[in-house]
Formats: sequence, structure tokens, C-alpha cells
Amino acid sequence: DIQMTQSPSSLSASVGDRVTITCRASQGISNYLAWYQQKPGKVPKLLIYDGSTLQSGVPSRFNGSGSGTDFTLTISSLQPEDVATYYCQKYNSAPLTFGGGTKVEIK
Amino acid sequence: EVQLLESGGGLVQPGGSLRLSCAASGFTFTSYAMSWVRQAPGKGLEWVSAISGSAAATYYADSVKGRFTVSRDNSKSTLYLQMNSLRAEDTAVYYCAKSVTQYGSGSYVDYWGQGTLVTVS
Repeated sequence: DIQMTQSPSSLSASVGDRVTITCRASQGISNYLAWYQQKPGKVPKLLIYDGSTLQSGVPSRFNGSGSGTDFTLTISSLQPEDVATYYCQKYNSAPLTFGGGTKVEIK
Repeated sequence: EVQLLESGGGLVQPGGSLRLSCAASGFTFTSYAMSWVRQAPGKGLEWVSAISGSAAATYYADSVKGRFTVSRDNSKSTLYLQMNSLRAEDTAVYYCAKSVTQYGSGSYVDYWGQGTLVTVS
């Protein structure tokens, strides 16, 4: 099975900073990658699908890129409401594995 | 408005069984695959199972294969997860989620329920 590895597992940044989270697949998955945001105590929310397509209603400061094995989620200007854990998920084929998550905090 | 409402969680002893349900509304249920995703206390998301819109295809994580069975009743717009031989490590909040296509594999999810807590102890 394909493994999904996220890094870092946590980060702390200042408001307005550019934040980058990476997700690496152990084998190529084309662009079958989604990113989810889970705020504390809340249900996960879809941010990005197909590697780089922004879900409707998601702020444009979120950007996804990558294909094959290496993917990136970038928050161009971190806001207080972005405090959350972010997960990548591959969906090219089952099992639809999630990455381990990246917890984003405000410094 | 898409709504997913899970039920059936609770406390069960190791080796026991439990059946979760997820009542769906706000979309044409039979046209979309559905998934179960769980989250152990303080841990990350773990995909558990998926089922195609027609129920013809089902998929499982290795950690639950042979113990859990996913099914759906399209006439009732309801998704199920039958969990047998439960273990302490199955303790988690279980979410049902709607896929964006009818296919259980090759599709991401766009809506999540609020989850139901299963405690195996």
C-alpha cells in the first residue's frame, strides 16, 4: 500500500507569515490528492482536491501544488482562523490513506 | 443542504459488536459513494471503508478487513458499518463522509457528519 508522509508534524508561525506543508506519497499518485483542514473540536473540511483545485468558498490564501509523489499546501498569509490540523489524503485507489497531519499554531 | 447524521456509537467490551448508521439527506444518495473515517482520541484521521453508490463495490483498510462490513440501504438513504470483534484500538470517533462521485475508490469526500464515538473497553 502507498504511504503518505506529511511534514512537519507541527509548526508555529506569526500572523501574516507564509506557511508550507508538504505531503509525500511512497509511490506516484498523479494528482489524486486532497487537503483537509480540521479546526480544534470540529469536523474536517475539504480545502483542495486534485492536488491544486480550491474547493468553493475556501480563501485564496490557500494554495495546493504538486503531482506524482510530492505535494505542497501553502498558506500565503497565515491568519488566526487558520489554526488547525491539516491532512493530505490520496484517493487514486483504495486504501484512501491520510497523512499523519500537520498542526499549525500561531506564534 | 447536505446532512449526514451518524448514530449507534457507545461503549462495548473487547470482542463485542456494534452497528453504526449514517442517515443522509440533501442529495441523491444512490448517486454517491460513501466512506467511513475514524479518529482516535487525540490522533489523526484514518480512512476505514468505502462503498460505491450502487453498493456493488466495497473497500476496507487492512486494520479492519474481515471484522468490519460496510453496507447501504439506498431506499432509506442510510449507510451502515457493522463492527465485529472490536478491539481497544478501534476506540475512536467514527465519521461518515460523502464522496464526490459514485465510485468508492478514486474519489475524495466533500461532506462529513459530526461523528459518533465508539469506546471499546
